[in-house]
Amino acid sequence: AQTVTQSQPEMSVQEAETVTLSCTYDTSESDYYLFWYKQPPSRQMILVIRQEAYKQQNATENRFSVNFQKAAKSFSLKISDSQLGDAAMYFCAYRSPNTGNQFYFGTGTSLTVIP
Amino acid sequence: DTAVSQTPKYLVTQMGNDKSIKCEQNLGHDTMYWYKQDSKKFLKIMFSYNNKELIINETVPNRFSPKSPDKAHLNLHINSLELGDSAVYFCASSQLGGREVRETQYFGPGTRLLVL
Repeated sequence: AQTVTQSQPEMSVQEAETVTLSCTYDTSESDYYLFWYKQPPSRQMILVIRQEAYKQQNATENRFSVNFQKAAKSFSLKISDSQLGDAAMYFCAYRSPNTGNQFYFGTGTSLTVIP
Repeated sequence: DTAVSQTPKYLVTQMGNDKSIKCEQNLGHDTMYWYKQDSKKFLKIMFSYNNKELIINETVPNRFSPKSPDKAHLNLHINSLELGDSAVYFCASSQLGGREVRETQYFGPGTRLLVL
């Protein structure tokens, strides 16, 4: 089965600074999808950004961007100009088109934003 | 409009009771999921239904039984609740086999279950 690893249980960043959250995954598939989800204290899971493996260009959503390294099986999330509202748990997820649409989640990184 | 809704939001109950959590999505998706998030925030998939058919059934006690009356609903029934069932349960939906936005899972707000 695919595995998703987030090696940073906790991270902190000063407000307005940039932080990068790391994610690696293990797969033998060539076509798949990667996601970053945000879970604030409200517990709701919110999609932050999405990357299709067949696209070489890194996805960007406003202050959020990814560094997708397919050969290295790495999918890091960069948050620029960090805001207090970015404080949350961030989950990296892998979706396989071959296992019934199942998503595999990492264990999460808790991000603290320091005013 | 709420895309994926769950009821109830909070559920406090005694050990041994039977309870249900309801989930509804209005996105027209054909696949729905139940996840369990424990106190350490680990998110584990429990079940997945595609067009009302069970396609993923991870190793969960058979006290947990999903029911999908139609594509827009996936309810979770739990029999003989135990202390270890205390967690946050998330429902989610997606469109199987699609590209772009349809590949994304949309989560409900979660249901906090506390078993006393």
